[in-house]
Amino acid sequence: EAGVAQSPRYKIIEKRQSVAFWCNPISGHATLYWYQQILGQGPKLLIQFQNNGVVDDSQLPKDRFSAERLKGVDSTLKIQPAKLEDSAVYLCASSFGGLLNTEAFFGQGTRLTVV
Amino acid sequence: DQQVKQNSPSLSVQEGRISILNCDYTNSMFDYFLWYKKYPAEGPTFLISISSIKDKNEDGRFTVFLNKSAKHLSLHIVPSQPGDSAVYFCAARSGGGADGLTFGKGTHLIIQP
Repeated sequence: EAGVAQSPRYKIIEKRQSVAFWCNPISGHATLYWYQQILGQGPKLLIQFQNNGVVDDSQLPKDRFSAERLKGVDSTLKIQPAKLEDSAVYLCASSFGGLLNTEAFFGQGTRLTVV
Repeated sequence: DQQVKQNSPSLSVQEGRISILNCDYTNSMFDYFLWYKKYPAEGPTFLISISSIKDKNEDGRFTVFLNKSAKHLSLHIVPSQPGDSAVYFCAARSGGGADGLTFGKGTHLIIQP
């Protein structure tokens, strides 16, 4: 079974530039999550999709971050404009979702460095 | 305000001995708890989970214990092996549709030969 695919693996940008990350979840997984992991911290949920609808985006800095999952499969996360404090690993995860308590499977992440 | 706390940033254990990783939480709405293991440059990998209606779940060398009254859970690894050296994250979720995980800061487990 293929895992969660993310690209790019690494990205370096200057502050005030824009950047986009891509995620392809495990086939059949209705729920997709984006997490931000700052060095020395645990992952923090940014946004959760159920199919192509947003379930929770309460921790997403909406003035600069946006995410979409138009066809209920792939997703993109965008930052515009980037700040130095956005330097982090951005993790995408997916799960079957629904009423069953099933674990989320994570991709390898995209390491973003803002200089 | 940290809702999931792992107060030990690191833990060193001799190979073959028991590793015990601890986690405390503050949110009474959490009803499902998970442990993830993370190697450098990889995403977290699911290890074991427990529902709030149970107090113990076992899977091979890994056992998770939940004490709801104390809002505390622990992960036991017996016996510890060199491949267990990794960062371990405790995570929790609330019931309902918005089931994104709340993570602790992680504990770096080092297994000494």
